Amino acid sequence: DAKTTQPPSMDCAEGRAANLPCNHSTISGNEYVYWYRQIHSQGPQYIIHGLKNNETNEMASLIITEDRKSSTLILPHATLRDTAVYYCIVRAPEYGNKLVFGAGTILRVKS
Amino acid sequence: GAGVSQSPRYKVTKRGQDVALRCDPISGHVSLYWYRQALGQGPEFLTYFNYEAQQDKSGLPNDRFSAERPEGSISTLTIQRTEQRDSAMYRCASTLSDTGELFFGEGSRLTVL
Repeated sequence: DAKTTQPPSMDCAEGRAANLPCNHSTISGNEYVYWYRQIHSQGPQYIIHGLKNNETNEMASLIITEDRKSSTLILPHATLRDTAVYYCIVRAPEYGNKLVFGAGTILRVKS
Repeated sequence: GAGVSQSPRYKVTKRGQDVALRCDPISGHVSLYWYRQALGQGPEFLTYFNYEAQQDKSGLPNDRFSAERPEGSISTLTIQRTEQRDSAMYRCASTLSDTGELFFGEGSRLTVL
């Protein structure tokens, strides 16, 4: 799996959009970008994934650059409950669901 | 149950003892994954199963670690002759299909004294 690079931490004001960047410059054509988050000591939670088109669901939006070398996870209106570690993962389908987690970004949402 | 269930939630053991950690996946989920997570770090892949077949055990640290899923449902991760460095949160996840969306349990926290 391609490596990803994320900032170690970010702060965001409550109610504002949180934009979490991820670099994956060595991504291959068939590799997907996945985002998970982990709140406190809970298990990781799936958020969203995409291949090359932008994706949106009830939790977040995923913006992937045209060259696919980077992506941004957007939480449109961050709440205190969104404080968590956010993991950006690149996955190739031929490796099944074996996800390789990095250190992630600690997002702190502040009131 | 509605989610992935792991037991025990907390296990304290003495160095040299064997421990068995259990995972009961979401009903009907084909694939089951084991991860280990040290404090302040992301989850580290250990092994996974499709049905009862162990597909990949490349993440198991050494031969003291083993896992089984004999009937394609409940899985057990066994650590023999535990060492202090084995102390961590052990997490299980399951998934219905090959979509990359894993459902994680609450984990089993192992402390080796």
